[in-house]
Amino acid sequence: DVKVTQSSRYLVKRTGEKVFLECVQDMDHENMFWYRQDPGLGLRLIYFSYDVKMKEKGDIPEGYSVSREKKERFSLILESASTNQTSMYLCASSSPSQGPYGYTFGSGTRLTVV
Amino acid sequence: QKEVEQDPGPLSVPEGAIVSLNCTYSNSAFQYFMWYRQYSRKGPELLMYTYSSGNKEDGRFTAQVDKSSKYISLFIRDSQPSDSATYLCAMSANNAGNMLTFGGGTRLMVKP
Repeated sequence: DVKVTQSSRYLVKRTGEKVFLECVQDMDHENMFWYRQDPGLGLRLIYFSYDVKMKEKGDIPEGYSVSREKKERFSLILESASTNQTSMYLCASSSPSQGPYGYTFGSGTRLTVV
Repeated sequence: QKEVEQDPGPLSVPEGAIVSLNCTYSNSAFQYFMWYRQYSRKGPELLMYTYSSGNKEDGRFTAQVDKSSKYISLFIRDSQPSDSATYLCAMSANNAGNMLTFGGGTRLMVKP
């Protein structure tokens, strides 16, 4: 089974802190994604990466950056956390060979910024 | 206006009921349609997928796409308490697998 593992299930951080969310996948997938999920708004794409060291902005990249130094790992960075970044963060991976049906999600990190 | 609209619910039904979940969309370029199921404190899992218009059945689940109306549905027959979850529709205009647009999700509760 494809596994996408997010390092933390719950995080509480203070306003202004730099926050790192880590995601690791074990199926050699080329594509990796970071979404945030908020009630009523669904999943909104923050960033995605289709190869090592490559990144593309999604719909809501402001206040976030990403890093992909190795194929299996995709990190989301909140440069200076703010309360409006309190949310559920979901990482996903896919392979282009599987098309749009091949997404596998992690279990999510619920981040609270106080 | 959001590209994909989905009633957030919650939708509460008795066990054994037929459930209808729906999404409308505005982008006529969408061709690939998916339904994800998300249990509490878990990530979404792919439940059903269809390409273009038509129906697809898998056990108690039927996915239906009407591209002329820009409307997709998921039907659940003989609903079970284990079906209680949030259901998200998702769509894509291409098969590259790098751009899905999600609905907001409908929370379903099936009461024993």
